[in-house]
Amino acid sequence: DAGVTQSPTHLIKTRGQQVTLRCSPKSGHDTVSWYQQALGQGPQFIFQYYEEEERQRGNFPDRFSGHQFPNYSSELNVNALLLGDSALYLCASSPGRRGKETQYFGPGTRLLVL
Amino acid sequence: DQQVKQNSPSLSVQEGRISILNCDYTNSMFDYFLWYKKYPAEGPTFLISISSIKDKNEDGRFTVFLNKSAKHLSLHIVPSQPGDSAVYFCAARDVTSGTYKYIFGTGTRLKVLA
Repeated sequence: DAGVTQSPTHLIKTRGQQVTLRCSPKSGHDTVSWYQQALGQGPQFIFQYYEEEERQRGNFPDRFSGHQFPNYSSELNVNALLLGDSALYLCASSPGRRGKETQYFGPGTRLLVL
Repeated sequence: DQQVKQNSPSLSVQEGRISILNCDYTNSMFDYFLWYKKYPAEGPTFLISISSIKDKNEDGRFTVFLNKSAKHLSLHIVPSQPGDSAVYFCAARDVTSGTYKYIFGTGTRLKVLA
């Protein structure tokens, strides 16, 4: 079992650019959540996907969007990048509609915006 | 509005002694509480959880205590080992909207001294 995988591991972009981050959930998991972890902070919930639909969203602007594919993998897109978007982006997966209390996290993608 | 708070950014403990990590929350609708451990360059790893209807859950060296009246939970690690040195995040599951999302604290960096 490969667990949750994310790509790329690191990324450098400039302000105004767009970025796409990718996540493959743990085998058997159909729910994917995305988090942003700024330096010195805890993970902040961005949104969650289930059955290819966004079903829950945190306090992030519309520049942050996502997608879930039929194989449950997911993408996070960020448009018009700002310096403040520099962070570690974490993907987490869990099974089931309601979900068990346990989420499994990937290693994250570290994004640097210059 | 920080609904999950970890007021101690760091903690140092001697090997073999007890480590106690604390977490406070404000939302009475949280139904599960979790602790995650995070090493550098890795995603958070699930450690232990507790349902809001319980007051204690134990797993080997790790015990989580929940005091609902005080809206406080704590993680006890006994005995502490150097390999326990990591950042520990407290998280709570919010189900008020019918689906669920996780709210994380800012983390406590534990250092276990050999």
